[in-house]
Amino acid sequence: SYELTQPPSVSVSPGQTASITCSGDKLGDEYVCWYQQKPGQSPVLVMYQDSKRPSGIPERFSGSNSRNTATLTISGTQAMDEADYYCQAWDSNTVVFGGGTKLTVL
Amino acid sequence: EVQLVESGGGLVQPGGSLRLSCAASGFIFSDHYMDWVRQAPGKGLEWVGRARNKVSSYTTEYAASVKGRFTISRDDSKRSLFLQMDSLKTEDTAVYYCAREGPIGGNYFDLWGQGTLVTVSS
Repeated sequence: SYELTQPPSVSVSPGQTASITCSGDKLGDEYVCWYQQKPGQSPVLVMYQDSKRPSGIPERFSGSNSRNTATLTISGTQAMDEADYYCQAWDSNTVVFGGGTKLTVL
Repeated sequence: EVQLVESGGGLVQPGGSLRLSCAASGFIFSDHYMDWVRQAPGKGLEWVGRARNKVSSYTTEYAASVKGRFTISRDDSKRSLFLQMDSLKTEDTAVYYCAREGPIGGNYFDLWGQGTLVTVSS
């Protein structure tokens, strides 16, 4: 079965740039999206089709996807961005999620 | 208001059954494919399955972990999605989310419910 691999944790200082990666075989051939989940809350879509931001998502969030790695980048990271982030793609009509990355802003 | 509201969660014994519901409002439910996603306590997201819309003959897909035990259905007249869970196992314990897929072909979930907790324990 297809697997997406994310680092378990990423730390960033306020105002700096955070990069969260998602790796999978030939992932660049598929669309990737990203969700943010804060404790006790439902996931929220923050990026879709590799690099498109839904309405209401700040411009500091951006995305890319090439070859085997998709990346969610948060520029000028704020304390409110501290959350778990999940990448997601499709494989043969089934959904695959990455294991999630805990972003700590300190 | 555009929202999804799940209900039906609770405590059930291993081997038992439970039926979850998801009520949609604020958008044209029949236009969208709808999915169930679950999250075990302290763990990541796991896709359960999807129900396509009438245009796609209401066909369904399931994750291997639930195939043959869970059944997804929908009632467009009631703007509702359902998850019938049979032969439940302790590892099915999770918060179950109802999620709306974006425009056909979009392959992303742009609206999530608040989730309902299912606990499978003796």
